[in-house]
This record gives sequence, C-alpha cells and structure tokens, in this order.
Amino acid sequence: AQSVAQPEDQVNVAEGNPLTVKCTYSVSGNPYLFWYVQYPNRGLQFLLKYITGDNLVKGSYGFEAEFNKSQTSFHLKKPSALVSDSALYFCAVRGRTGTASKLTFGTGTRLQVTL
Amino acid sequence: KAGVTQTPRYLIKTRGQQVTLSCSPISGHRSVSWYQQTPGQGLQFLFEYFSETQRNKGNFPGRFSGRQFSNSRSEMNVSTLELGDSALYLCASSPGQGGQPQHFGDGTRLSIL
Repeated sequence: AQSVAQPEDQVNVAEGNPLTVKCTYSVSGNPYLFWYVQYPNRGLQFLLKYITGDNLVKGSYGFEAEFNKSQTSFHLKKPSALVSDSALYFCAVRGRTGTASKLTFGTGTRLQVTL
Repeated sequence: KAGVTQTPRYLIKTRGQQVTLSCSPISGHRSVSWYQQTPGQGLQFLFEYFSETQRNKGNFPGRFSGRQFSNSRSEMNVSTLELGDSALYLCASSPGQGGQPQHFGDGTRLSIL
C-alpha cells in the first residue's frame, strides 16, 4: 500500500529565512507527487506537482520542491518565508495504475512563520 | 473558471439520521474524489468517480456511498450517522489523468449531535 510520511507536526521559521517541510513516500512504480496548502476553514490549494523530468519543481507563491528518487523524498522549500505562508501543508502521492492511482496524503505539517 | 463548489457548507445532524452532500466540479473535469478530514485521522480517501463509475474506493463502511451524474456533479451519502462521522468532507475534481492535480472545494463541515 502506498503511504506518505511528514515527520514534523510543526515547523517554525522566522520571516525572511528559508523553510523546508519534509516528505517521504512509498508507492509501487514511479509516483506522481503533490504539495497542497490549507488555510483555516478552507479546502486544499494546489501548490506544485512532480510528474517526470527535472527533480526541482517550481510552484505557486515562490515554493519549490526537490524530488529525490533514491531517498523517496519530496521536500517542500522556499528561499524566504513570509508570515502569510503560515498554514497547514500536505504532501500527497499517487501511483500510476490501478488502485494505486488514488491520492494518498500525509498527516500534514503546520508551518508557523514569525516576525 | 469557477472552482469546485460544495453544498451545504455547514450541516448539523443527529445520530441515526442520513445526510447527502453535493459537489459541483470545475467545468470539464470528469473525475470527482471525496475525502474525510478529522483532527485525529487526517485526510482519508473515501472514493473517486470518473464518468459516472466508481474508480477507486477507500476503507470506509458501506454507510458511506456516492454517485456521479452525467454532468459530472457528484453526491455523497452517509446513512445511520454516528458521532464519529463529524468531520470536514472535501470534494476534489480533476480532468481524470493521473498527473493532473486535484482541485478542492472548501468542504462541508458535518457535525453530529
């Protein structure tokens, strides 16, 4: 069965500093990988995806993620954090065939950016 | 382009009742998925429909069911409600190909008294 691990419940960072939110995954075959963000009382907003090709993927709001096949990781990064980035972040994996094609989410990481 | 619309936004029911939640996907999207979000269990996949057929199903009891109409709109039904069914129910739509991201509605918050 496929799975996603987000080892940190919360990440704290000062505004202007770089941020990293960690994600590792397990899936049969080559994965589709996604990051989403959720603000209070809202649904999930798509940030970026990895399908194939370049290991560094750029997404919305200055976020990027690095795909590492050997470490089965897909960490979310941003060079300079903003207070407005404070939210709940979810990593998700989707296999390419059969029942693995359903989207499986991690437990989420709360990002707190302070002045 | 209008986003995913879920109705109602809030719902209060009592144990034993049933409930139907509605989801209108983004125009042109043929896949609709449903998720349950709770503080304890996180985001859990319920089911996915594509062109009116259930394509994937999560590990939920048969009290949870869904359907998709020919216009891609989808409904989710929960019968014999239990206190543990209190959650945010999220609907997401996509064109249907695996690499395409799902786009989420703002959810229906269901509270069971």
